[in-house]
Amino acid sequence: EPEVTQTPSHQVTQMGQEVILRCVPISNHLYFYWYRQILGQKVEFLVSFYNNEISEKSEIFDDQFSVERPDGSNFTLKIRSTKLEDSAMYFCARLGTPPERTIYFGEGSWLTVV
Amino acid sequence: AQSVTQLDSQVPVFEEAPVELRCNYSSSVSVYLFWYVQYPNQGLQLLLKYLSGSTLVKGINGFEAEFNKSQTSFHLRKPSVHISDTAEYFCAVSEDGGGYQKVTFGTGTKLQVIP
Repeated sequence: EPEVTQTPSHQVTQMGQEVILRCVPISNHLYFYWYRQILGQKVEFLVSFYNNEISEKSEIFDDQFSVERPDGSNFTLKIRSTKLEDSAMYFCARLGTPPERTIYFGEGSWLTVV
Repeated sequence: AQSVTQLDSQVPVFEEAPVELRCNYSSSVSVYLFWYVQYPNQGLQLLLKYLSGSTLVKGINGFEAEFNKSQTSFHLRKPSVHISDTAEYFCAVSEDGGGYQKVTFGTGTKLQVIP
């Protein structure tokens, strides 16, 4: 059973379009994360989210990105105007319940920008 | 800031041979260490973790890793690999930040098991 469920598993979008990637935790947790993996490259931290606020973000997470948890359940990553270089696998993750110190990842959403 | 170095980008090994995937980390505070595995076209699966206690940790699929604080290493080992172990392996580090954690990944090592 996945720790988090991500949708869609694969999305193809045209450059300049808005994309929303969704993540649904299996159970209630406080810390959530988005990571990105460009094909053939390392897994990179984008943003962490705690108690409905961004707790930390990387340099990659610029103004075209946003995160929210609109209904207290789904956790979304929005890319406002996609670029070719946004093509990547996007992973949602959650932190285990304290004193757990492990971050568990979803299966990923593969985004292809054409 | 924390960082992870995986020196070997690819490791070919024959089936049933032993393997060691190297990982070194850098951090100024206490750390937690992880190995994640990514099978082709799949997500990231936790293989094993070191949080505290015994420096030798065992994970799934017969893998183990040893935390060496003096050498700042966390190498992954398996005494006898199987074809199904072909995957990319990522070492990751998380600093002890109280309630908040964030993992930083290495660049990954592709393990190719040769029949």
